[in-house]
This record gives sequence, structure tokens and C-alpha cells, in this order.
Amino acid sequence: SQTIHQWPATLVQPVGSPLSLECTVEGTSNPNLYWYRQAAGRGLQLLFYSVGIGQISSEVPQNLSASRPQDRQFILSSKKLLLSDSGFYLCAWSTPGGFYGYTFGSGTRLTVV
Amino acid sequence: QKEVEQNSGPLSVPEGAIASLNCTYSDRGSQSFFWYRQYSGKSPELIMFIYSNGDKEDGRFTAQLNKASQYVSLLIRDSQPSDSATYLCAVKGGSYQLTFGKGTKLSVIP
Repeated sequence: SQTIHQWPATLVQPVGSPLSLECTVEGTSNPNLYWYRQAAGRGLQLLFYSVGIGQISSEVPQNLSASRPQDRQFILSSKKLLLSDSGFYLCAWSTPGGFYGYTFGSGTRLTVV
Repeated sequence: QKEVEQNSGPLSVPEGAIASLNCTYSDRGSQSFFWYRQYSGKSPELIMFIYSNGDKEDGRFTAQLNKASQYVSLLIRDSQPSDSATYLCAVKGGSYQLTFGKGTKLSVIP
């Protein structure tokens, strides 16, 4: 069966510090991968998605970047965090056609102080 | 711009009652429809999906789809306090991407 791992679960970082969140998927190949952010009490905001190694599409211009160095690995990064980067970050995967919806990782709660 | 609309709630129902959650979507080409449950502080979890007009039942959950009216709903029978969560509707068009609604917060009162 397929599983998605996301870490860390919680993170407190000072303003201006770098960020690296990692997500890996097991039990499938060539998944579509997604990074979402959910601000407190708000809906899901799609940040980045990837349909293959090295292929990244950005939905919202911002202080963040994403990379996909391996087929089942997706990384969200920032060089300098802003207070507004605080939120709940979710990684998700789907089959290439997306027919069965997305499966989400357990999320990372990021607080920028 | 594809849109998925949900009443933000909170929707409060007594324990044992039927909870009815509604969702409308703007893209007539939408093909698949998903309901996610998200407990506070947790990630969304897929609970139901439906592709065809009509009803689809899974235990206490029934998803209903009316493509002509661009409307999808989720019924929860015999609601339990453990059903208290935010329910997200998601719609898939011709591509692999899902469009999510902002969610409806359900509170089941013991």
C-alpha cells in the first residue's frame, strides 16, 4: 500500500532563518506531488505541484520554493522566513490522472517568530 | 476560475441526527467529486468520492451528486460527536488537479 511521510511535525523558526520541509511517498511510482498551506481557520492554498522529477509548477509567487530531486521526494524550502509564512503545511500525492483524489501527509505546523 | 463553494458553518446537529453538508461548483466539466474530513490540527482524510449522478452510500455516509444543478452533498446519518470536524469538498475537472472548497465546520452536540 502507498504511504506518505512528512516531517517534521512541528517547527518553530525565527524570522530570516531558512526552511526545509521534506515529503516522501512509498509504494507507488511517478506520483503527482503537491504542497499546500493552510493558515489558521482558512482553506487550502496550493503552493506548488510536480508531475515528475525536476518539474515544478508554482501557483502563488512567494518566499518559498520547491524541488523534486527524486521521483518520490518533494522538498519545500525558503532562504529567509517571514512572519507570514506561518501555517500548516501539507504535502499530498495523487496518481498521474488524479482519479482517486489526493492523499495528504500528516502536515507540518510552522510557526515563525 | 474554477470555484467550489461551501457554507463555512458551523453546522450544529444533535447526536443521532442527520447532518447534511452541501457544496456547489462552477465548472460544468467537472468529473469527480470528493469529500474530505479534517479534524482540528490534523490533515484532511478522504472519506467519500462520487463520479456519477445519484447517491453513493458507505456506512453512515451518503454522497449525492446532481451534475445538472452542479451540486454535491454529504449526508451523515446517526451523527456522533466523533464526526465533529471540518468537511472539505473537492472537485476534479479534466486534469489531475483538485479544486477545494473552504470547508464546513460540523459540530455534533451530545
